[in-house]
Amino acid sequence: QAQLVESGGGLVKSGGSLRLSCAASGFTFSVYYMSWIRQAPGKGLEWVSYITSGGDTIYYADSVRGRFTISRDNAKNSLFLQMNSLTAEDTAVYFCARHSNGFDSWGQGTLVTVSS
Amino acid sequence: DIQMTQSPSALSASVGDRVTITCRASQGVGNDLGWYQQKSGRAPKRLIYAASTLQSGVPSRFSGSGSGTEFTLTISSLQPEDFATYYCLQYNSYPRTFGQGTKVEIK
Repeated sequence: QAQLVESGGGLVKSGGSLRLSCAASGFTFSVYYMSWIRQAPGKGLEWVSYITSGGDTIYYADSVRGRFTISRDNAKNSLFLQMNSLTAEDTAVYFCARHSNGFDSWGQGTLVTVSS
Repeated sequence: DIQMTQSPSALSASVGDRVTITCRASQGVGNDLGWYQQKSGRAPKRLIYAASTLQSGVPSRFSGSGSGTEFTLTISSLQPEDFATYYCLQYNSYPRTFGQGTKVEIK
């Protein structure tokens, strides 16, 4: 079955950068749209960004537009999120998720902590 | 943006109780609505999609209903493993938006 594994989280200082990765297996990654979703400590879920299967269409939440960049490498079954100009408000667990009538498969998440 | 408002934000219930959670959309989303269960420290798990379609492997005590702007998740007989936080998600338009969550606690 579908498996998604995020990596790349960690502690970073305010204004810094981090690149998250999501490794996909168990399904044909190249045909699925994908998203990043985050959850701040003790808070609800917030959709962050979306990319189509071929990478030709991308959307961002207003809160990250201009700072975050989503990308994918279908040859390597991988999804990425480049995060720049990080602030304390970006502290969260970041999940990658597969699109199918909403989000049908999720990774376990990777924690990003931004220190001020 | 479509705002999703869940109610209640928390509830206390006993094993065997019938539980109902409501999600209201600020504008119509057709039946592009899903329900997710999240346990502490875990990724969300999809229970329902297309407003009323049960995800494969999810127990039949979970059901969803509604369309347009009003949706309901019902647990017909609450089990110990159902104590968790539940979220609705609209996927009719971008940005995708979640309800704020409903925490189901043990009475």
